[in-house]
Amino acid sequence: DAGVIQSPRHEVTEMGQEVTLRCKPISGHNSLFWYRQTMMRGLELLIYFNNNVPIDDSGMPEDRFSAKMPNASFSTLKIQPSEPRDSAVYFCASSSGTSGGTGGETQYFGPGTRLLVL
Amino acid sequence: EDKVVQSPLSLVVHEGDTVTLNCSYEVTNFRSLLWYKQEKKAPTFLFMLTSSGIEKKSGRLSSILDKKELFSILNITATQTGDSAVYLCAVCPGSQGNLIFGKGTKLSVKP
Repeated sequence: DAGVIQSPRHEVTEMGQEVTLRCKPISGHNSLFWYRQTMMRGLELLIYFNNNVPIDDSGMPEDRFSAKMPNASFSTLKIQPSEPRDSAVYFCASSSGTSGGTGGETQYFGPGTRLLVL
Repeated sequence: EDKVVQSPLSLVVHEGDTVTLNCSYEVTNFRSLLWYKQEKKAPTFLFMLTSSGIEKKSGRLSSILDKKELFSILNITATQTGDSAVYLCAVCPGSQGNLIFGKGTKLSVKP
């Protein structure tokens, strides 16, 4: 299995531009999570999906951020317009689903997208 | 509000030392606690704990959970420079599978 795939790995853009981050979860996993990591705030959950449906987007910082999951094998996180304070590493993670101690809650992380907004 | 607190934030030791990393939590509906190791890239899974008092072990790493006192520890014996990383603790607070992460403990192992 290729694991969670994210693209691009690095993105440098100018303030005001639209940024789209992409994620392909592990095949068969039905939960997908978007995180943002900075030195100051650590790892923050932005939004997560179960069976392609957004469950909790309370971590999305503001309306400039949006996420979609049109099918089980693809998700996007979009920032429009981008700002310098959005600079961070964005991780996508997937898991096989519901918890209850069965291990389904174990999340597997992609390599991340390092975003720099100038 | 659900939260996970890790201590210490940072730790510097020498090769061969034994370290203990701490994780305490407050969640409304605890399901499990997970430990991850993050080097320069993405977090990688170490352990998942669901029951109190049962030690999980993998080589020089071990972890245990106390659901009464709401904490877990991660032990690393005979540390090596390759153990240098940020260790993240996360708690699953419900049935949906989301995780709440602590801010991590940065471990530096000097030769």
